[in-house]
Amino acid sequence: EDQVTQSPEALRLQEGESSSLNCSYTVSGLRGLFWYRQDPGKGPEFLFTLYSAGEEKEKERLKATLTKKESFLHITAPKPEDSATYLCAVQGDQKLVFGQGTRLTINP
Amino acid sequence: DAGVTQSPTHLIKTRGQQVTLRCSPISGHKSVSWYQQVLGQGPQFIFQYYEKEERGRGNFPDRFSARQFPNYSSELNVNALLLGDSALYLCASSFGGRFEAFFGQGTRLTVV
Repeated sequence: EDQVTQSPEALRLQEGESSSLNCSYTVSGLRGLFWYRQDPGKGPEFLFTLYSAGEEKEKERLKATLTKKESFLHITAPKPEDSATYLCAVQGDQKLVFGQGTRLTINP
Repeated sequence: DAGVTQSPTHLIKTRGQQVTLRCSPISGHKSVSWYQQVLGQGPQFIFQYYEKEERGRGNFPDRFSARQFPNYSSELNVNALLLGDSALYLCASSFGGRFEAFFGQGTRLTVV
């Protein structure tokens, strides 16, 4: 069964303090790994898709990388507006399988 | 371009009642999926429809049902509501298959 585990569950950083979020997965044939950002009470906002090991994608202060067993979301010099829950998901058979998310808080 | 739209945004129902949630996908998208998100957890898959046919069903009881219309919009129905059905219900649309899924803002269902 496809499974996604994210760590840490919560992370608190100071503005400008870079860090990484981890997403470990087991899937029978990776069709795609997705990162989403979710603000409280709202739907997930699409960030990145990664399809194969070694692939990297960047958007502003965020960079996503992929290996055969895990993905990392690196956040460089974060700002308070980057505070949100970050969700990782793998494309399984007809569905996305999500991790529980990492709740990121950036203090000014 | 309009994104995925869901209605209503909030809903309060009593145990035992029935509810219908609605979703309009992004123009050109033929696949619609439904997810349930309980507070503090990631979304859980309920259904996927593609070209008006059910293509996947998650581990939810038969009280949950859905359909997709010729214009690719979709409805999720939940019968005999339980307190545990209280959650954020999310609709996602995509071109299908391995393409990116884009989510609506969700419907917050509270069962009292």
